[in-house]
Amino acid sequence: DAKTTQPPSMDCAEGRAANLPCNHSTISGNEYVYWYRQIHSQGPQYIIHGLKNNETNEMASLIITEDRKSSTLILPHATLRDTAVYYCIVRVESNTGKLIFGQGTTLQVKP
Amino acid sequence: NAGVMQNPRHLVRRRGQEARLRCSPMKGHSHVYWYRQLPEEGLKFMVYLQKENIIDESGMPKERFSAEFPKEGPSILRIQQVVRGDSAAYFCASSPPGLASYEQYFGPGTRLTVT
Repeated sequence: DAKTTQPPSMDCAEGRAANLPCNHSTISGNEYVYWYRQIHSQGPQYIIHGLKNNETNEMASLIITEDRKSSTLILPHATLRDTAVYYCIVRVESNTGKLIFGQGTTLQVKP
Repeated sequence: NAGVMQNPRHLVRRRGQEARLRCSPMKGHSHVYWYRQLPEEGLKFMVYLQKENIIDESGMPKERFSAEFPKEGPSILRIQQVVRGDSAAYFCASSPPGLASYEQYFGPGTRLTVT
């Protein structure tokens, strides 16, 4: 599985867009990019995933570069409740289901 | 539609006792995954089960830990003869039938404290 690199922490002002980068330079053609977050003491929460096209849902947008070596999760209007650890995970669609969580990015949304 | 349910939410056991953690997947989901989060550490995969089958237990400690997902009832993670190092948050996740999915829905976790 491709290894991911994320900044350990980021700050964002409330109401602004939060842009969380993820580097996955060794990603291969059939590997998907998944984003999860974990709000303090809660279970992780699925956010979004994509293969090569940009994706958007009610929570966030995922922008994947054309060469697929990096991606950015965008929270368009961050709120205090978006303060969490955000994980970028690269997985092959297969029958294992094993999510491998790295250290993630701790996003602090400030008033 | 109720989410993934785990109980108990908090469990205190003395060293040497057994701990049983229960997980009820979301309605209609047939895949269950268990993860462990040690204090100040990241989430680690433990085991992936379908009904009556263990599919991947590559993250399970070799001794004292077992998991099941019977035809009826919740999935159970069982830890025998607990030690202080087992103190952690244990999260269960589920996904719908079909291929195993990386779009998993997590429960609130069980926080195990071993005294």
